[in-house]
Amino acid sequence: EVQLVESGGVLVQPGGSVRLSCAASGFTFSDHYMDWVRQAPGKGLEWVARIRKRSNSYSTEYAASVKGRFTISRDDSKSSLYLQMNSLQTGDTAVYYCARVAIMFHCDFWGQGTLVTVSS
Amino acid sequence: DIQMTQSPSSLSASVGDRVTITCRASQNINSALVWYQQTSGIAPKPLIYAASTLQSGVPSRFSGSGSGTDFTLTISSLQPEDFTTYYCQQYKSYPVTFGQGTRLEIK
Repeated sequence: EVQLVESGGVLVQPGGSVRLSCAASGFTFSDHYMDWVRQAPGKGLEWVARIRKRSNSYSTEYAASVKGRFTISRDDSKSSLYLQMNSLQTGDTAVYYCARVAIMFHCDFWGQGTLVTVSS
Repeated sequence: DIQMTQSPSSLSASVGDRVTITCRASQNINSALVWYQQTSGIAPKPLIYAASTLQSGVPSRFSGSGSGTDFTLTISSLQPEDFTTYYCQQYKSYPVTFGQGTRLEIK
């Protein structure tokens, strides 16, 4: 059974940093691109970042709203995905989901999400 | 960026009704479109990908169509568990973008 479990959500002050983790199991993690997607309270879904697999040099893509502040990374030996979030703003308050990217490039499995609240 | 516009934003219907939700892309995305269902507080679940391919395990009352810029999600006979929120998403180019969502409510 595919499982994605996020952790690291916290209350942080504006300008602070947070590192989210996503532990994957039930599939060959190294075979898949992975995404982070967020959802602000009461709002819609916003794609945040993607990391490709080793054969694609672990290359990355970011939404303009987070580029230069957030860094997506992975550790295939630990089947784990990460999101380093720096210079956090109140607008970054959201539930952050990690998601597995299927061969057709949509997200076919999602974690349960972890809440990051940016507030003073 | 490719803008995704869903309509309607909300829709009232009854159990057993047939409903259609539309999604329009601001430029050609071929068939690179997925429909997600999200129940409040739970992670999104893919229903249809590549515009018209049913995700494994999804009931056959869900169907998708379209290509290029105009897409539809149809639910042929609404069940009680279908009254929730639906999103389209394009994955033709970066940044990946979502529609604003359609909330399906019980009439």
